[in-house]
Amino acid sequence: KAGVTQTPRYLIKTRGQQVTLSCSPISGHRSVSWYQQTPGQGLQFLFEYFSETQRNKGNFPGRFSGRQFSNSRSEMNVSTLELGDSALYLCASQTGGSGVDTQYFGPGTRLTVL
Amino acid sequence: AQSVTQLGSHVSVSEGALVLLRCNYSSSVPPYLFWYVQYPNQGLQLLLKYTSAATLVKGINGFEAEFKKSETSFHLTKPSAHMSDAAEYFCAVSLNTGGFKTIFGAGTRLFVKA
Repeated sequence: KAGVTQTPRYLIKTRGQQVTLSCSPISGHRSVSWYQQTPGQGLQFLFEYFSETQRNKGNFPGRFSGRQFSNSRSEMNVSTLELGDSALYLCASQTGGSGVDTQYFGPGTRLTVL
Repeated sequence: AQSVTQLGSHVSVSEGALVLLRCNYSSSVPPYLFWYVQYPNQGLQLLLKYTSAATLVKGINGFEAEFKKSETSFHLTKPSAHMSDAAEYFCAVSLNTGGFKTIFGAGTRLFVKA
């Protein structure tokens, strides 16, 4: 099976712009989670989607949003970019449903805000 | 509330020496605990997971971890370090309470000296 893929791998934006990141989960996985990784804050949970519905959300401002499509692919959007949004954004997929199963992570998208 | 504490942001060992990375958790529900490894500019790779089946968990690359409920610990060990083990290691607790979420520790960077 192909792993989790994220596009693009690298992005450079300027303050005030918006950005959309994409994540394709492992085939058959219906749950997708997003995480932000920075040197100062470490790995922080952004949100989780299952069957096109956001089931869980972390403590991020409303500028961070996401969605999931019927094929389980997910996108996250960050509007009005700030310098502090520079980070590695990781997507993870799992089979979903109830219980806790193994998450599989993609390689991440490195976002730099200038 | 769930939380994860990793003791030591940096650990340095000699090649062939024992690796011990410490992790303590706090969880109001039976925990699902994980150790991940991250190499530079890559996503997270699962090393091992605890899901209440056995307290001593064996993972990939010779790593293992022991779940100790009385100490709320889940320390990661490897009998003999290899240069290729140099990376950042994350302990994490996952839960699904109506929505999936993983909380990560701050990470421990492992250095292996020749």
